[in-house]
Amino acid sequence: QLVLTQSPSASASLGASVKLTCTLSSGHSTYAIAWLQQQPEKGPRYLMRLNSDGSHIKGDDIPDRFSGSSSGAERYLTISSLQSEDEADYYCQTWGTGIVVFGGGTKLTVL
Amino acid sequence: EVQLVESGGGLVQPGRSLRLSCTASGFTFGDYDMSWVRQAPGKGLEWVGFIRSKAYGGTTEYAASVRGRFTISRDDSKTIAYLQMNSLKTEDTAVYFCARYSSTSWGQGTLVTVSS
Repeated sequence: QLVLTQSPSASASLGASVKLTCTLSSGHSTYAIAWLQQQPEKGPRYLMRLNSDGSHIKGDDIPDRFSGSSSGAERYLTISSLQSEDEADYYCQTWGTGIVVFGGGTKLTVL
Repeated sequence: EVQLVESGGGLVQPGRSLRLSCTASGFTFGDYDMSWVRQAPGKGLEWVGFIRSKAYGGTTEYAASVRGRFTISRDDSKTIAYLQMNSLKTEDTAVYFCARYSSTSWGQGTLVTVSS
């Protein structure tokens, strides 16, 4: 079964960096994912598509502070030079045969 | 600029029906698969279903939680995707988003409240 696992919460200080993790279920380690950001009371915003080899394609106007990387079944989103507006929920998403799957989301708090 | 605008949400009683619309602009709508995603209050994103482009048969796929009750369709001439929701349950209460299947573009959502 295709499942994405995310930690429910993360925190980091203003100006610091944070690395969020999304883990693909067993047997699905080659799948690409998308990272999405959802600020309070807003619709999701596409950040990037991240492939298993770590290559990624970012959305329009996504700052260079946002980057992605991969290792095995893990997909990472790194945000550097954290700003207050980065405080949001971050979701990973993937596509299976006839199905779309979301991770449970990580709530990022900027201290 | 790509824009997706959902409409049609509101308050509806359990067991009744509602149709949502997603009006698209800024891209060649007919070339794209389109998804519906929902978010219950205070919860995460939940995939509802998607419709393929006509080039891929215009076929649909649904999450198990809505299969048999919800139907997605599209009118490429009007650049609108629809979500027909029948036999609504209280647990269908959510903000409903439409998005391109690739997730590169999202609407702002429309709230559906199912309550007596």
